Amino acid sequence: GDSVTQMEGPVTLSEEAFLTINCTYTATGYPSLFWYVQYPGEGLQLLLKATKADDKGSNKGFEATYRKETTSFHLEKGSVQVSDSAVYFCAPRDYGQNFVFGPGTRLSVLP
Amino acid sequence: EAQVTQNPRYLITVTGKKLTVTCSQNMNHEYMSWYRQDPGLGLRQIYYSMNVEVTDKGDVPEGYKVSRKEKRNFPLILESPSPNQTSLYFCASSVPGRTTEAFFGQGTRLTVV
Repeated sequence: GDSVTQMEGPVTLSEEAFLTINCTYTATGYPSLFWYVQYPGEGLQLLLKATKADDKGSNKGFEATYRKETTSFHLEKGSVQVSDSAVYFCAPRDYGQNFVFGPGTRLSVLP
Repeated sequence: EAQVTQNPRYLITVTGKKLTVTCSQNMNHEYMSWYRQDPGLGLRQIYYSMNVEVTDKGDVPEGYKVSRKEKRNFPLILESPSPNQTSLYFCASSVPGRTTEAFFGQGTRLTVV
C-alpha cells in the first residue's frame, strides 16, 4: 500500500532559521499531497496542499513543491517563528480517498 | 462555523467497560474517518465511511466498531476496551475526492486502566 517517510525529529531551531522537513512517499496511483500541522492540544489543520506534479502549495510562509519524479514533497520556510512550534504531518491522498499519514515531525523553535 | 466535534475530549475508563466516542460534522460531508495517534507511529486509520450505511476497515480496526446511520454522525465504539487502546483519537470528515482536504476534530484522549 501507499506509505510516507518523513524525518521524525524532534527538530530544534532558533527563531528566524531556515526550515526543511523532508517527505517522500510511495503510491500506486497519482495522489494529491498535503501537509497538516498540529499545534499543542489541538487537532490537525491543513497547512498546504498540491494536487499535481510541479504544483507548489504555500501558506503562512511555508512552501512545498510536488516532485513526482522523486516522489517528494518537502516542506520549507525561510524564517521560522516560535509560533511555528508544532508537529507537522505529510499525507498523500489517493484515489481511494484515504489519507496516509507520516509519523509526524516535531518542530521546536527557540526564541 | 464549519467544524467536526468530538466528545468527550478526555476519558479515563476501566478495562472491559463499553464506551462510545461521538463525532459530528456540520459540513454535509460524505466521507468520515477515525484515527488513533500514538508516539512514533503517527496517525493510523481505524475505520472510515464513504457515506451513510457504508463503512470499511482501516489499518487498525481490531477492538473497534463504528456505525453511520446519519450523514453527520460517526461514533466510535469500544465494546471491551483494553489498555492497549489508550491513545489519542481523531475524527475527520471531507468531501469525497483525492484533492479535497480533511477537517479534524479536537481529539479525544482515552486512558484505559
